[in-house]
Amino acid sequence: AQSVTQLGSHVSVSEGALVLLRCNYSSSVPPYLFWYVQYPNQGLQLLLKYTSAATLVKGINGFEAEFKKSETSFHLTKPSAHMSDAAEYFCAVTSGGYNKLIFGAGTRLAVHP
Amino acid sequence: DGGITQSPKYLFRKEGQNVTLSCEQNLNHDAMYWYRQDPGQGLRLIYYSQIVNDFQKGDIAEGYSVSREKKESFPLTVTSAQKNPTAFYLCASSMTATGQGDNEQFFGPGTRLTVL
Repeated sequence: AQSVTQLGSHVSVSEGALVLLRCNYSSSVPPYLFWYVQYPNQGLQLLLKYTSAATLVKGINGFEAEFKKSETSFHLTKPSAHMSDAAEYFCAVTSGGYNKLIFGAGTRLAVHP
Repeated sequence: DGGITQSPKYLFRKEGQNVTLSCEQNLNHDAMYWYRQDPGQGLRLIYYSQIVNDFQKGDIAEGYSVSREKKESFPLTVTSAQKNPTAFYLCASSMTATGQGDNEQFFGPGTRLTVL
């Protein structure tokens, strides 16, 4: 069975600091991995996705993630946090012949001046 | 502009009442989904539909019902059998539901349901 674990339900960084949000997955078949962002009382927006084309994936708003099979990880990073990055971030996995997304519990990112 | 609309944004229901949440998409997507979001639990799949006039239960379908009479519409009814319906409900769509699993899901803005 597939599953996603996001380490840290809350992460706080200073503006300009590195953002690192952790995601580990479990899948018996090659996974497809996604990061979504959610602003308060809004839907989810896709940041980036891994579909086996390249292990380092670049997304919108300066975010990127690296797929590490040996560590079963897909951590999200951004070199320099901006106040507008404050939101909740969800990692999700799917695989096989059906697009059923399995979501992690989410990580709420706070950015302070 | 193409996208997914959900209405209403906020909905209040008395205990024992059924209520229907609307979801419409103009992306010409075949597949549509309903998720429930609770604090600290991520998103959980309620129902999904791969094609018109067909739908399947997700992980937490009890107390919910859906229909898919048109490609662009996938309404969700929260029935009185749902014991804890207060939550944020998100509708999504994707080009297809099958394939390699890499089809992006596009999300609507959500409906917040509160049971009084």
